[in-house]
Amino acid sequence: EAGVAQSPRYKIIEKRQSVAFWCNPISGHATLYWYQQILGQGPKLLIQFQNNGVVDDSQLPKDRFSAERLKGVDSTLKIQPAKLEDSAVYLCASSLVWEIGGMNTEAFFGQGTRLTVV
Amino acid sequence: RKEVEQDPGPFNVPEGATVAFNCTYSNSASQSFFWYRQDCRKEPKLLMSVYSSGNEDGRFTAQLNRASQYISLLIRDSKLSDSATYLCVVRPISYIPTFGRGTSLIVHP
Repeated sequence: EAGVAQSPRYKIIEKRQSVAFWCNPISGHATLYWYQQILGQGPKLLIQFQNNGVVDDSQLPKDRFSAERLKGVDSTLKIQPAKLEDSAVYLCASSLVWEIGGMNTEAFFGQGTRLTVV
Repeated sequence: RKEVEQDPGPFNVPEGATVAFNCTYSNSASQSFFWYRQDCRKEPKLLMSVYSSGNEDGRFTAQLNRASQYISLLIRDSKLSDSATYLCVVRPISYIPTFGRGTSLIVHP
């Protein structure tokens, strides 16, 4: 079974530039997450989609970050303009729909995009 | 108080040792609990779910203490390959999973 695919693997940009990351979740997974992991910290949820709807984006810095999942499959995360503190690994994860009272489902992670802002 | 707290370590133990990590959470309505393992410069991978009755998988035992709001992970007979960062994940009924910052384990010969 193919895993979560992310691209690019690495990206170096100058501050104030724009960057976009792409994620293709596991086939059939309705839930998709974007996490930001700064060195030495745990992943921090930026946004969660259920199909093409946003479940939670409370921790997404909306003045510069945006994400979409138009057809409920692939997703893109964009940063415009980037700041030095955005340097991190951006992880995409997917899972089957998790319903109240249902079985817990595992979130599978992609290998991430390592962003360096200089 | 942070939603999910872990001692970052590192825990430095010899091969064969038993080591335990705790993870405390603040939201008493939390429903699901997991331990993930993350190797250096790799993505997190599920190690085990944590059930109310506790669960064991080989050398690994996970337990949940709802009264004190913490989960634990016990590793017996540590191997060099167990060296990694162990992340706890807490998921309240609102579906939003929250990761701790992780506990670093170093197993040395």
